[in-house]
Amino acid sequence: NAGVTQTPKFQVLKTGQSMTLQCAQDMNHEYMSWYRQDPGMGLRLIHYSVGAGITDQGEVPNGYNVSRSTTEDFPLRLLSAAPSQTSVYFCASSWLTGQRAEAFFGQGTRLTVV
Amino acid sequence: GEDVEQSLFLSVREGDSSVINCTYTDSSSTYLYWYKQEPGAGLQLLTYIFSNMDMKQDQRLTVLLNKKDKHLSLRIADTQTGDSAIYFCAEMWGNEKLTFGTGTRLTIIP
Repeated sequence: NAGVTQTPKFQVLKTGQSMTLQCAQDMNHEYMSWYRQDPGMGLRLIHYSVGAGITDQGEVPNGYNVSRSTTEDFPLRLLSAAPSQTSVYFCASSWLTGQRAEAFFGQGTRLTVV
Repeated sequence: GEDVEQSLFLSVREGDSSVINCTYTDSSSTYLYWYKQEPGAGLQLLTYIFSNMDMKQDQRLTVLLNKKDKHLSLRIADTQTGDSAIYFCAEMWGNEKLTFGTGTRLTIIP
């Protein structure tokens, strides 16, 4: 059981380039989300999804797109990378029922935009 | 929006108990979480508590929730060097969105 898998682990982009960060989960969780982690700011929500075909914006969505065509996958797209998007990106999946509320994270993607 | 606050640093002697505190503002939070992050690693789910509970214990970890004061704490008994990490509290709202504190860096003094 792999849990939440993110690829790549590291990436360097030039300003203006585009790329997709991949996230996959094998736990059949309904909910998936993307966060970015910046020094001194904890994690901030970028986009989230409550199920296949449904996505919504979080706290810091500008510059990012998402889609959720399957339950398992939730890719994050940077359309035109900017230095302000240098960060560590975490994907999460969660499943809530009754008093069980498990929310697991991937190992992160460290992105540098030069 | 929701706000979660933690102190940034905590130092504890090996073998003592560590208590990491957190305050939150959203009274409608359903679940509250504690995560551990070691250098260069992802977030490891340590434990969580349902908002209608006061306490949850799991081996060396004890979570206390004071819903009236919106205060959450994590106690680590018999703190070891392997407990050195950044600890994040987070509140769940809307069933799928987590709001995180800025994290508390726990340093163990030998």
